Amino acid sequence: KQEVTQIPAALSVPEGENLVLNCSFTDSAIYNLQWFRQDPGKGLTSLLLIQSSQREQTSGRLNASLDKSSGRSTLYIAASQPGDSATYLCAVSSGSARQLTFGSGTQLTVLP
Amino acid sequence: NAGVTQTPKFRILKIGQSMTLQCTQDMNHNYMYWYRQDPGMGLKLIYYSVGAGITDKGEVPNGYNVSRSTTEDFPLRLELAAPSQTSVYFCATVPQGLAGVSSYNEQFFGPGTRLTVL
Repeated sequence: KQEVTQIPAALSVPEGENLVLNCSFTDSAIYNLQWFRQDPGKGLTSLLLIQSSQREQTSGRLNASLDKSSGRSTLYIAASQPGDSATYLCAVSSGSARQLTFGSGTQLTVLP
Repeated sequence: NAGVTQTPKFRILKIGQSMTLQCTQDMNHNYMYWYRQDPGMGLKLIYYSVGAGITDKGEVPNGYNVSRSTTEDFPLRLELAAPSQTSVYFCATVPQGLAGVSSYNEQFFGPGTRLTVL
């Protein structure tokens, strides 16, 4: 059974800092890994998708890496801003129906 | 395209009542999923469907039923609501090309239905 863990559960940083969120998964037989952002009481916003054959993806100030063999991914956020405050969810696609298995998320607070 | 739509947005049920959460997509995606998200947690898979007439259980199917009579619609039925079913419910889809679902294809999520059972 695929399990996904995200560390830390919560993180508070001052504005302008670079930060790293961690995600680990137990079964390396994945199709892809997605990072999502979720604002309080809202739905999911897809940030980045890394295919199983890729090592990293970048979008603006976000960079996600994937080490499938070790079952790890990181989301790097450069020059953090208060608007980045949200919960960040990591999910891996695996299984016959490509269903997503989610971590519990990292709640990020960027202080002005 | 409207993408993935879910109705209702909010609902309060009494214990023992039943209801259907609606999910509709206009992208002609074959694969559809229902997830639930409890407070402070990630999402867990309830049921999924790989095409019209085909459904299967996910990680937490107890207390729910689904049907898939068309490609567009994937309703989730709660027969006897219980407080443990208080959650936010998300519907999602994945496109499928001629070669099947590729590793590039991301899941598209609906806005969610917030359900409270009292």
